[in-house]
Amino acid sequence: EPEVTQTPSHQVTQMGQEVILRCVPISNHLYFYWYRQILGQKVEFLVSFYNNEISEKSEIFDDQFSVERPDGSNFTLKIRSTKLEDSAMYFCASSRDLGSPLHFGNGTRLTVT
Amino acid sequence: GIQVEQSPPDLILQEGANSTLRCNFSDSVNNLQWFHQNPWGQLINLFYIPSGTKQNGRLSATTVATERYSLLYISSSQTTDSGVYFCGRGFGNEKLTFGTGTRLTIIP
Repeated sequence: EPEVTQTPSHQVTQMGQEVILRCVPISNHLYFYWYRQILGQKVEFLVSFYNNEISEKSEIFDDQFSVERPDGSNFTLKIRSTKLEDSAMYFCASSRDLGSPLHFGNGTRLTVT
Repeated sequence: GIQVEQSPPDLILQEGANSTLRCNFSDSVNNLQWFHQNPWGQLINLFYIPSGTKQNGRLSATTVATERYSLLYISSSQTTDSGVYFCGRGFGNEKLTFGTGTRLTIIP
């Protein structure tokens, strides 16, 4: 069964450094998302992406964050200058259509020290 | 803002027991999904159920959109059912707003 893949599974970085989290969504899906989950808390929406542009973003998704689809398969989340509070599990997800089932990757655990 | 509340927050059951998990939402819905987060942190989509009832093996779900709630039923629980169950609600746009989850622990 097709799945969303994310790399790396773990990323440790120092405060102020840039990180890029990578995702390969399911190939025939049109909508892409990033969510995050701070340890022990609920899953929070960051951004949705459709037709090569951001379609919606949350308050969390400030100027330090950006997303890109550099080619036909990859979808990336960049955090320009990481802060301690960016430590979380970051999930990529995709869906075939608007409002159809959401499929998550296994996540990237980001630790900012 | 939109509220999505789940109950109970924690549930501990013996293997073989049945359970009902509830998701209440404060606004209209045309996208309601249930997810299982296993002990390894993976989020698995269980049901896409904006209305009506669906069944998949020992699991079933019902959403009553007019009354703004959804229920997830787990029958004959197994230890592999342990984890956190989240509902996510959406309407008219792509994003899902998640509840705070129900942590289910199944004891052998």
